[in-house]
Amino acid sequence: AQRVTQPEKLLSVFKGAPVELKCNYSYSGSPELFWYVQYSRQRLQLLLRHISRESIKGFTADLNKGETSFHLKKPFAQEEDSAMYYCALSDSSNTGKLIFGQGTTLQVKP
Amino acid sequence: DAGVTQSPTHLIKTRGQHVTLRCSPISGHKSVSWYQQVLGQGPQFIFQYYEKEERGRGNFPDRFSARQFPNYSSELNVNALLLGDSALYLCASSFRAEQFFGPGTRLTVL
Repeated sequence: AQRVTQPEKLLSVFKGAPVELKCNYSYSGSPELFWYVQYSRQRLQLLLRHISRESIKGFTADLNKGETSFHLKKPFAQEEDSAMYYCALSDSSNTGKLIFGQGTTLQVKP
Repeated sequence: DAGVTQSPTHLIKTRGQHVTLRCSPISGHKSVSWYQQVLGQGPQFIFQYYEKEERGRGNFPDRFSARQFPNYSSELNVNALLLGDSALYLCASSFRAEQFFGPGTRLTVL
């Protein structure tokens, strides 16, 4: 079954500390992985996708097919990074279906 | 462009009633997807429509239906409401596999 697991509901770090938000997936084919972010009182928005291999707002994520993981990392957290982060998987069926994890709240303390 | 818009913002219904939620995609986007987000969980895929045709359907009962109009706007209909249908309903329009989310409609079923 297709599934996305984010094991931490809440991750709390101090400003300047490294951040790693974990994401594991279960999918038999070649998935496309995304990270979405929702800042307070804003709509859900795309942060990054694995095929673009970009660094957005200092965040990076590497797809590890062996470990079926797509962890989101940032070397130095900023207070403005505090938000809800969702890992999502899109299958290859061309239905536009995104499968989301349960989300991790990142809290960056001053 | 205001982005994806949804109406109404909030609504309250009682069990057994019917509800219609509306979504207007970003101009030029021909695909619309609907998601249900229950408190504390990630969004769950309900439907995707492209060029007025249903292209994907999630694991939801037949009480849920949707349609897309010639101007690419969309409606989500839910019949015989249950308490468990209380959730935030998100609409997303797509361009080149990237989904842009609306602010959502908060449905409360009493």
